[in-house]
Formats: sequence, C-alpha cells, structure tokens
Amino acid sequence: DVKVTQSSRYLVKRTGEKVFLECVQDMDHENMFWYRQDPGLGLRLIYFSYDVKMKEKGDIPEGYSVSREKKERFSLILESASTNQTSMYLCASSFWTGVDEQFFGPGTRLTVL
Amino acid sequence: KNEVEQSPQNLTAQEGEFITINCSYSVGISALHWLQQHPGGGIVSLFMLSSGKKKHGRLIATINIQEKHSSLHITASHPRDSAVYICAASAEYGNKLVFGAGTILRVKS
Repeated sequence: DVKVTQSSRYLVKRTGEKVFLECVQDMDHENMFWYRQDPGLGLRLIYFSYDVKMKEKGDIPEGYSVSREKKERFSLILESASTNQTSMYLCASSFWTGVDEQFFGPGTRLTVL
Repeated sequence: KNEVEQSPQNLTAQEGEFITINCSYSVGISALHWLQQHPGGGIVSLFMLSSGKKKHGRLIATINIQEKHSSLHITASHPRDSAVYICAASAEYGNKLVFGAGTILRVKS
C-alpha cells in the first residue's frame, strides 16, 4: 500500500513565524502535491512537483514556497505565517505524470494565532 | 461558476436508503475521481473513471461523457458511510485535479 505521511497532525504557530510542513511518500512516486482545504472552498492546489527540484505553481501559491530535494520528500514553507493561512493542509502523490490516482496524506491542521 | 459542481451540498439519509450524489463538470477531462473523507481523516480515492460504470462493494460510480456528468451511488447505506464525498476532474492535459466543493453525507441509524 502507498503510504503518504505528514510531519504533524496539528500545529499552532504565531503570526510572522516561518513554518515548515513536511510530506513523505514511500512508493517512488514522480508527482507530489500540496493542497489546502477550507470550508465551503474545497481543496485548492498550492504547488506541485513532477520531479526532484522541479515545481509548478498551483492556483493559490501566494505566501507559500516549496522544496523537493529528494524524490520522496516535498516540503511546504510558509515564509511568514499569517492568520489567513489557518487551514487544513493536505499532501498527495501520484506515480505517473499522466492521469493517475492521487494518494493523500492524513493532513495537517495549522492554526496561526 | 465552478468548473466542477456537486449536488447536494448536504445529505441526510436513513440507514438502508439508496443514496445518489451528482457531479457536473464544464472542462475537458481525461478522468473523473470520487474521493471520500471521514471526519478528521485523510482522503481516500474511491474511483477513477473515464467512461461507463465501476462498482466496488456497495458503491457504484457512473459517468456520461457527452453530458459531462457523473454520479456516485451508495446502496444499503450505513452510518459508517457518513463522510464527505468529493468529485474531482483530471484536466485533459497534465495531472492536476479540479475539485468540487464536496457533499457532506450523514447516515442515521
């Protein structure tokens, strides 16, 4: 079974802090994704990566950056956390760059005070 | 108008009822996904389909490409089916998903 893990289930940070969210997958998947999920807005794509050191902006990249130094690990960085970044963050991965099923991590609920 | 629309937004059913959740999309797609999210839990992929019908246990997913419409059916519903069901479309080119807002299903015993 594919396993996608995220570093924290719950995280509380203060405004202005730098925040790192880590995601690791164990199935040698090419693609990795970061989403945020907010009530009434559904899932929105922040960034995705189709290879090591390769990244593309999603629909809402402002205020975020990403890093993929190794194939299995994809990090989401909030350079200076703000209260409007309080959300559920979900990581996903898929094997092929064509149409493929995405496998999701358990999510990190981030609260920025 | 969202590219992927789901209905209903909320659904309450009695145990044993037949349930249908609908998804309409306006973009060209290569596949349509149905996902399930339990409260506090991660998201699980239920189906990925590009034509016809798929069945897994009590769950059935259908898609009509010409009408740009898909349905998820749950037969003999059970309280453990209570979850958010999300429809997502794979863009025609590339591997990004466009998500619907989700349907919150509650099955009462």
